[in-house]
Amino acid sequence: ETGVTQSPTHLIKTRGQQVTLRCSSQSGHNTVSWYQQALGQGPQFIFQYYREEENGRGNFPPRFSGLQFPNYSSELNVNALELDDSALYLCASSLRIFSGASGTQETQYFGPGTRLLVL
Amino acid sequence: GNSVTQMEGPVTLSEEAFLTINCTYTATGYPSLFWYVQYPGEGLQLLLKATKADDKGSNKGFEATYRKETTSFHLEKGSVQVSDSAVYFCALSNSNSGYALNFGKGTSLLVTP
Repeated sequence: ETGVTQSPTHLIKTRGQQVTLRCSSQSGHNTVSWYQQALGQGPQFIFQYYREEENGRGNFPPRFSGLQFPNYSSELNVNALELDDSALYLCASSLRIFSGASGTQETQYFGPGTRLLVL
Repeated sequence: GNSVTQMEGPVTLSEEAFLTINCTYTATGYPSLFWYVQYPGEGLQLLLKATKADDKGSNKGFEATYRKETTSFHLEKGSVQVSDSAVYFCALSNSNSGYALNFGKGTSLLVTP
């Protein structure tokens, strides 16, 4: 049990629709990352939020967008859904700290995911 | 850029057999290395990690040693159980990726009684 929760657990949408997925971070964590996992594949990084600002983005189009709130929870929004967006969407939270000479260290803890099916 | 290569699965073993899942990586600098496990229908669980060369991560009987000279982080377990059946993902992160995780494609393990 990581303390990271996601909602909803499952979702069915049709092409062209919009969807919002939600994530609550583990208590004390300040960073949220989102990943897309297609069936039979490893997770692919979508983007990351640190202190409410986007702090890195993978190779995903702008119709994938997000937010992080003051309590460090987060949303992932996907517009104009396509069939290929069908996947498991994973949220991970972490604590970004700066440890001097050894730099930044963090470990990401994942939620159970939201399974999205686009018809 | 960063990349992770895992051995192809599926791997099928009998209970109490020895497990090795190979993982090699490409990255600049000194990445942190991770193994995550995914049980059917679930999210990812952190299994173990290592943050510098020669570190050994261990958890629940699983071990992996960070080998910088061979850029490897192979997962091992001396005696697998049926409950270990899952998909195992090797991953890395470093400052070049903004600490985003780069995952391998995963290795499916099936342990039979």
